[in-house]
Amino acid sequence: TQLLEQSPQFLSIQEGENLTVYCNSSSVFSSLQWYRQEPGEGPVLLVTVVTGGEVKKLKRLTFQFGDARKDSSLHITAAQPGDTGLYLCAGPGSNTGKLIFGQGTTLQVKP
Amino acid sequence: NAGVTQTPKFQVLKTGQSMTLQCAQDMNHNSMYWYRQDPGMGLRLIYYSASEGTTDKGEVPNGYNVSRLNKREFSLRLESAAPSQTSVYFCASQDPNQPQHFGDGTRLSIL
Repeated sequence: TQLLEQSPQFLSIQEGENLTVYCNSSSVFSSLQWYRQEPGEGPVLLVTVVTGGEVKKLKRLTFQFGDARKDSSLHITAAQPGDTGLYLCAGPGSNTGKLIFGQGTTLQVKP
Repeated sequence: NAGVTQTPKFQVLKTGQSMTLQCAQDMNHNSMYWYRQDPGMGLRLIYYSASEGTTDKGEVPNGYNVSRLNKREFSLRLESAAPSQTSVYFCASQDPNQPQHFGDGTRLSIL
């Protein structure tokens, strides 16, 4: 069974701090996606990484796909209260092609 | 600009009651999905429908049934609700090789 493990599960920081969220697996994924979910809403896709070693930037967010395509990270520079939310990584299962989700990282950024 | 619409947004049931969660999408997507989200467990796939007229089990199908009524609508039915089915339920739709679009969820409590 393919699993995606996210760490940390909870993160509470002050505005302006940097942070990194990790998404790890013992299995190879063809791609990984990162979603952000706000309270009372569904997840919204932030980015998809496809190539091992790939780095994608979305304003203050930097996403990296591991060289072996078994892990990914999300780094936020100078976090703002608007970054508060649940961050989920997900990847297609090799057998079914259906998305497998990590358990999520809840981020709280205090002003 | 509705996207994926789920009804109801909230529901409280007693053990043993039945109910149907409704989902409709206006993006002409072929694939539709039902997930449940529980604290610390990310999203888990209950059922999916690759196209109108087809449905398949996901990771956690027990206790649920689905109907793909037409291309727009995909409903999830609980025949005899159990407390273990207390969760937030998300519907999503997708075109091949495109991101999934999620509704805002149905918060279901079973007493």
